[in-house]
Amino acid sequence: AAGVIQSPRHLIKEKRETATLKCYPIPRHDTVYWYQQGPGQDPQFLISFYEKMQSDKGSIPDRFSAQQFSDYHSELNMSSLELGDSALYFCASSPGTDTQYFGPGTRLTVL
Amino acid sequence: GDSVTQMEGPVTLSEEAFLTINCTYTATGYPSLFWYVQYPGEGLQLLLKATKADDKGSNKGFEATYRKETTSFHLEKGSVQVSDSAVYFCALKRGSNFGNEKLTFGTGTRLTIIP
Repeated sequence: AAGVIQSPRHLIKEKRETATLKCYPIPRHDTVYWYQQGPGQDPQFLISFYEKMQSDKGSIPDRFSAQQFSDYHSELNMSSLELGDSALYFCASSPGTDTQYFGPGTRLTVL
Repeated sequence: GDSVTQMEGPVTLSEEAFLTINCTYTATGYPSLFWYVQYPGEGLQLLLKATKADDKGSNKGFEATYRKETTSFHLEKGSVQVSDSAVYFCALKRGSNFGNEKLTFGTGTRLTIIP
């Protein structure tokens, strides 16, 4: 069965650089959620989209922005990167109001 | 706000031992409850879920029952295997609007099974 695809899987950036993370949901899933998991931490909700519109927002810094495109894939844009942004970033997709299926994550390291 | 409290780890058991990982929650209304498992270097995989009081979720020998009276969703397995070594997250979800159902996670419990 098709799963959620995230790219890249690993990303290394310098402080103050920008990064773009991509998420491709399971086919026919119209809802995407983004989570951030710091080292040894539980995942924290960042932002979600339904039918290409932002539907909920969590503890996402103003330096981050995201959108969902017409093909339902989503991108998380991160600017002015800080050391504290180093984390695993998960995308999850859902067919509406149902179980969220997680991708393998993108590990971002900020040096 | 919503919160999930899990028993602190790490937990180390011998193969074939009985497993219990405690999970309690605080939330208004009637949340759905989940257990997710994270193997080393991998993403989160749904292990089981329950959407209403007294529901029992089960998968791969794991079980958890939604107890509203004690606001709990404890994970159990009768006989663990080395391959069950992973981090286990309890989570809840409220809401029924599309895209407005973020998951709130517990801190995770690292389980190690020794042969």
